[in-house]
Amino acid sequence: SQTIHQWPATLVQPVGSPLSLECTVEGTSNPNLYWYRQAAGRGLQLLFYSVGIGQISSEVPQNLSASRPQDRQFILSSKKLLLSDSGFYLCAWSVQGAHTGELFFGEGSRLTVL
Amino acid sequence: GQNIDQPTEMTATEGAIVQINCTYQTSGFNGLFWYQQHAGEAPTFLSYNVLDGLEEKGRFSSFLSRSKGYSYLLLKELQMKDSASYLCAVLDSNYQLIWGAGTKLIIKP
Repeated sequence: SQTIHQWPATLVQPVGSPLSLECTVEGTSNPNLYWYRQAAGRGLQLLFYSVGIGQISSEVPQNLSASRPQDRQFILSSKKLLLSDSGFYLCAWSVQGAHTGELFFGEGSRLTVL
Repeated sequence: GQNIDQPTEMTATEGAIVQINCTYQTSGFNGLFWYQQHAGEAPTFLSYNVLDGLEEKGRFSSFLSRSKGYSYLLLKELQMKDSASYLCAVLDSNYQLIWGAGTKLIIKP
């Protein structure tokens, strides 16, 4: 069966510090991968998605970046965090080429920037 | 612009029935999805509608009217564990998911 894990689960970082959130998927090949951010009272905001190794699409211009160094690994990074980067970050995968909205989410990472 | 509207919060009683509505205005339509999200956890897939009508899955049912841009999620025989947020999302013409802000459902004994 397929599983998805992301870490760390919680993170408290000072403004201006770097960030690295990691996500790995097991049990499937060539998945679509996504990074979302969820702010209180708002819908999920798509940050990045990837259809293959090294292929990253950015939906929202910001100080975050994403990389996909391996087929089932997706990393969200920042060189300098802002207060506005606080939120609940979710990694997700879907079946490649299925054009489906059925996403499978990781456990989430709660980031607090102080 | 693209927009998904659903009530912010609803309250219902254990054992009762509740209907959560969702209206949408999107660039194209390739399906509507409902997800359940317990506090502090990730969303999990509940249902998918692409054709008009009712889809039933156990205690949960989801209805779609494409002409009205409207869907609802119906939860029967409510249990305390159904206390969660319910997210409505539409797959647009670019096959991107547009998400509503979610409806927080509070179940009272």
